[in-house]
Amino acid sequence: GAVVSQHPSRVICKSGTSVKIECRSLDFQATTMFWYRQFPKQSLMLMATSNEGSKATYEQGVEKDKFLINHASLTLSTLTVTSAHPEDSSFYICSARGMGGNQPQHFGDGTRLSIL
Amino acid sequence: SQQGEEDPQALSIQEGENATMNCSYKTSINNLQWYRQNSGRGLVHLILIRSNEREKHSGRLRVTLDTSKKSSSLLITASRAADTASYFCATETSGTYKYIFGTGTRLKVLA
Repeated sequence: GAVVSQHPSRVICKSGTSVKIECRSLDFQATTMFWYRQFPKQSLMLMATSNEGSKATYEQGVEKDKFLINHASLTLSTLTVTSAHPEDSSFYICSARGMGGNQPQHFGDGTRLSIL
Repeated sequence: SQQGEEDPQALSIQEGENATMNCSYKTSINNLQWYRQNSGRGLVHLILIRSNEREKHSGRLRVTLDTSKKSSSLLITASRAADTASYFCATETSGTYKYIFGTGTRLKVLA
C-alpha cells in the first residue's frame, strides 16, 4: 500500500516552456502533499506544502509565481514550472501524507527536469 | 539553516559488516524517520520512530532516538550489496507536518 505515482519521470524541453508535473496518491487519501527539489548529491529541500482545496504554503525563497501548485483533490497535486530556464533544471520529488498524527510521507519516483 | 546533519557523509563497507549512520537535528519533533534513496529515484520509507520512543527495529534495521541530544542512529546489520544507496533522516517538526531532511549518508556495500 501507500503508493505515490509521479509523472513524468523525465522532461527535456527548451527554455521558456512551462512544465507540469503530476503527483498522485494511488491507494490512500493525501490531505497534505509536499514538493521538494534535490540537487545532485544533496539532500531534499522543501519547496512547498499543499493541502487539498487550499493555497499552497511556500518555503522562503521559493517563487510562488514560478512554481504553481494545485491540489484539487485528495489524490492529486500538480506542480507547474512556468517559463522554465536552465537554472530550473533539477530533480523534483513529491510526497503525500495520509491523515492523522505520526504518519510517514510516501514519495514519488521523482521527475528529472532538464531545460536546454 | 535548520537542516539536520548526518555523519558520515559517505561510508564504504564490506558485505556482511554492519553500517551505522548518525543524524542530528535542531528542532522539537513529533517523530523522526529514515529513508533510503537509490540513485535518481524517489525515497523509500524505512522506519518511523516517535519522539517518545527510544529504539525501534525492523528486520535488519535498528533505529535509536535520543531527544535530549537531538540525535538518532540507524544501524543496518549484515549488510548486502543491495543496501548500497543514500540514507536520509527526516524530522517532522512539532506542530507541523513539515519534514526537515538531513544531509544524507551515501552507503556503498562492497560484494
